[in-house]
Amino acid sequence: GNSVTQMEGPVTLSEEAFLTINCTYTATGYPSLFWYVQYPGEGLQLLLKATKADDKGSNKGFEATYRKETTSFHLEKGSVQVSDSAVYFCALTKAAGNKLTFGGGTRVLVKP
Amino acid sequence: DAGVIQSPRHEVTEMGQEVTLRCKPISGHNSLFWYRQTMMRGLELLIYFNNNVPIDDSGMPEDRFSAKMPNASFSTLKIQPSEPRDSAVYFCASSLQGDSPLHFGNGTRLTVT
Repeated sequence: GNSVTQMEGPVTLSEEAFLTINCTYTATGYPSLFWYVQYPGEGLQLLLKATKADDKGSNKGFEATYRKETTSFHLEKGSVQVSDSAVYFCALTKAAGNKLTFGGGTRVLVKP
Repeated sequence: DAGVIQSPRHEVTEMGQEVTLRCKPISGHNSLFWYRQTMMRGLELLIYFNNNVPIDDSGMPEDRFSAKMPNASFSTLKIQPSEPRDSAVYFCASSLQGDSPLHFGNGTRLTVT
């Protein structure tokens, strides 16, 4: 079946540091890949997505590139802010309108 | 748009009681999902509907759990009887069928004592 594995947290960083959260997946064919972010007390929000190999998703300074050869979709941000403190989820879906398979989430804490 | 609306935000109940969680999806969305989030298990998909029809309920943990979607603008998740291990945050999400992201509500935090 489909699965998503992401690095365990928590990840603690200082403001303006570089952030990387690793995500790898297992799926047949060509899934669509997503990063969602969950701020305290809220539901998940879509951060970015990529629907085919070599696509790069980007939003709010975050980027992730769909790497078919390494089945990866690592999330990066060059300079984090305190407001980026949240839990980040990597996810995939195989078919349009189908259910998402989520990774376990990575908690990120950015200190001033 | 108001987004996905869930009620109540918090629910505290005693073991054995019936609990009903409610969800109003975004108008026009035709897929609806119920997720449960716990520290131990992370995010688990319980059930999802397309066009008000349940498509996959394999994630529903037991017969104590049931979900309905009587129309396109309303869904319920019911637990009867509730148990302490049901304590979690329950999220509802909706989307347009097609290459469309999920939109999540703010969740219902359920505590069963």
